[in-house]
Amino acid sequence: DIQMTQSPSSLSASVGDRVTITCRASQSISRYLNWYQQKPGKAPKLLIYAASSLQSGVPSRFSGSGSGTDFTLTISSLQPEDFATYYCQQSYSARTFGPGTKVDIK
Amino acid sequence: EVQLVESGGGLVQPGGSLRLSCAASGFSFSTYWMHWVRQAPGKGLVWVSSINSDGTNTTYADSVKGRFTISRDNAKNTLYLQMNSLRAEDTAVYYCVRDRLYYDILTVAYYYGMDVWGQGTTVTVSS
Repeated sequence: DIQMTQSPSSLSASVGDRVTITCRASQSISRYLNWYQQKPGKAPKLLIYAASSLQSGVPSRFSGSGSGTDFTLTISSLQPEDFATYYCQQSYSARTFGPGTKVDIK
Repeated sequence: EVQLVESGGGLVQPGGSLRLSCAASGFSFSTYWMHWVRQAPGKGLVWVSSINSDGTNTTYADSVKGRFTISRDNAKNTLYLQMNSLRAEDTAVYYCVRDRLYYDILTVAYYYGMDVWGQGTTVTVSS
């Protein structure tokens, strides 16, 4: 089974900050990597698919990069509505989610 | 409007059974892979099970294999999750999720993304 890890597990940031979250797979998954955002009490929302493709309707301040085992999600200028938990997920073999990264207000 | 609506959650004793349903609307249900994803209170997302578009191929997380069964009725636009031998650790919000196939021009390849989620149904396993 493919295991996913994320770092950091949480971070505090201010509005306008550039934020980077890292995701690592236990084996190569090519670009079969998605990113989701979840706010408290709500269902997750797909942000990025295929490592770097922006889902329709998602603001361009979100971007993804990476391939193989190492991936990043970047928020170029954090907005108030971006405080949430972010999950990576592989779709190379079955599905596995990372443990999540909580982004809160500094 | 594309929508997934789960039902069937509730309180059940350890060892008991429950069947979750997910009613799909606003899209061609029979052409999509579907998943169940769960989230225990205060915890992260965990993939539970997948089923292909015609119901002939299913996969399960090790934690539920042999106890849970995913199925679908494309005539009724409904996804199911039969949960048997329930344990306290199965307590969670269960989400029904659509898997969309994307074509990426950069890599000339197809990729899946979970693009539509239901609101979730809560399962509590407790005596």
